[in-house]
Amino acid sequence: AQSVTQLDSQVPVFEEAPVELRCNYSSSVSVYLFWYVQYPNQGLQLLLKYLSGSTLVKGINGFEAEFNKSQTSFHLRKPSVHISDTAEYFCAVSAIQGAQKLVFGQGTRLTINP
Amino acid sequence: DSGVTQTPKHLITATGQRVTLRCSPRSGDLSVYWYQQSLDQGLQFLIHYYNGEERAKGNILERFSAQQFPDLHSELNLSSLELGDSALYFCASSQLDSHTDTQYFGPGTRLTVL
Repeated sequence: AQSVTQLDSQVPVFEEAPVELRCNYSSSVSVYLFWYVQYPNQGLQLLLKYLSGSTLVKGINGFEAEFNKSQTSFHLRKPSVHISDTAEYFCAVSAIQGAQKLVFGQGTRLTINP
Repeated sequence: DSGVTQTPKHLITATGQRVTLRCSPRSGDLSVYWYQQSLDQGLQFLIHYYNGEERAKGNILERFSAQQFPDLHSELNLSSLELGDSALYFCASSQLDSHTDTQYFGPGTRLTVL
């Protein structure tokens, strides 16, 4: 079984400041990793995913994430945030074999202050 | 707009009732997934269908059932509704039956049980 822990439930930052949203996972098998964003009153949108290869993954809207296998982490970063980045961010994993499902963390609410 | 459509957008009903949520996947996508998002449980995988066949089940109650029709749309049936079933129900679709496929999420159906 897999589990995902997002270490911060809320992260407030000022506009144009850098941000890091932390995600740790636990799994007895190899996994693929994902970050999704949920804007208010909308569905989830994929930001980026790690399947294999380079551990630094670049996604949409200037976000990137780094997979660290030894620390079982997949932290999301952006060097300079905008008001429009205000949303809920979800880290998720999917086992590379077996039931095809996403296991999500509890989410991190990112609030950008002007 | 992900291309996944869900109807209705909102549903208000009473305890003990039965409802049907509908999902139309993106054009060409063969897989459909259902997820439940609630305040206490977070985002939980319910069930996955591929080309009309059930592929995986998650934390889906026996009172809930789903199916995928020949035109690939899917329905989630919730019966004997309880207050705790109030949640946002998301449908997602992906192209094939592969762990590397991106899941595209619909806007969700908000169910309120009174």
